[in-house]
Amino acid sequence: QVQLQESGPGLVKPSQTLSLTCTFSGGSLWGDDYRWTWIRQHPEKGLEWIGYTSYTGSTYSNPSLKSRPIISMDKSKNQFSLELTSVTVADTAVYYCARDRGGHCSPTYCSFWAIDLWGQGTLVTVSS
Amino acid sequence: DIQLTQSPSSLSTSLGDRVTITCRASQSITNYLNWYQQKPGEAPNLLIYAASTLRTGVPSRFSGRGSGTDFTLTISSLQPEDFAIYYCQQTYNNFRTFGPGTKVDMK
Repeated sequence: QVQLQESGPGLVKPSQTLSLTCTFSGGSLWGDDYRWTWIRQHPEKGLEWIGYTSYTGSTYSNPSLKSRPIISMDKSKNQFSLELTSVTVADTAVYYCARDRGGHCSPTYCSFWAIDLWGQGTLVTVSS
Repeated sequence: DIQLTQSPSSLSTSLGDRVTITCRASQSITNYLNWYQQKPGEAPNLLIYAASTLRTGVPSRFSGRGSGTDFTLTISSLQPEDFAIYYCQQTYNNFRTFGPGTKVDMK
């Protein structure tokens, strides 16, 4: 059974770096048609896409987060990670890791992308 | 970035009702539009991808339509397990965005 599981501290102090790891079990991170993604949800709010990494090393993050997210992958451990620097109380949220999967892909193009697998989410509170 | 709006933001409905939620994109996204359902305390769950393709295992009372900038999600006959928040998402470019969500609750 494939699944994703987030892990990391539930409490981070303002100005510090939030660090979370997502472990993928039941499969491999390998593949050009996967984007390993982080999404967050502020309390009682909607979903905010943070960014992704891929097996080839390409990354992309939400421009509104101003280069604070650093998303990386440890292939040997089948894990990918999020570091969010210089956090404030506004970064308090439930953080989800997820698999964004492409379908009907050619070498340069996929006819669709969708998040077909989510972790359960982990609450991170930023507070002194 | 591509902005998504959803309407209505919430609706109160009854079992058996037909429900339609609209998602509008700020520019054409062709059919790179997905719909997710989220229940309290749970991660979202993919219902429909590529605007109109029902994910395997999702009940056929869910359907999606649209292309370009205007999309709809329809639930043909609301069931008790359908009370939830529904989000659209565009995957047209690298910067994915979600709509603000539509809460479907009981009248």
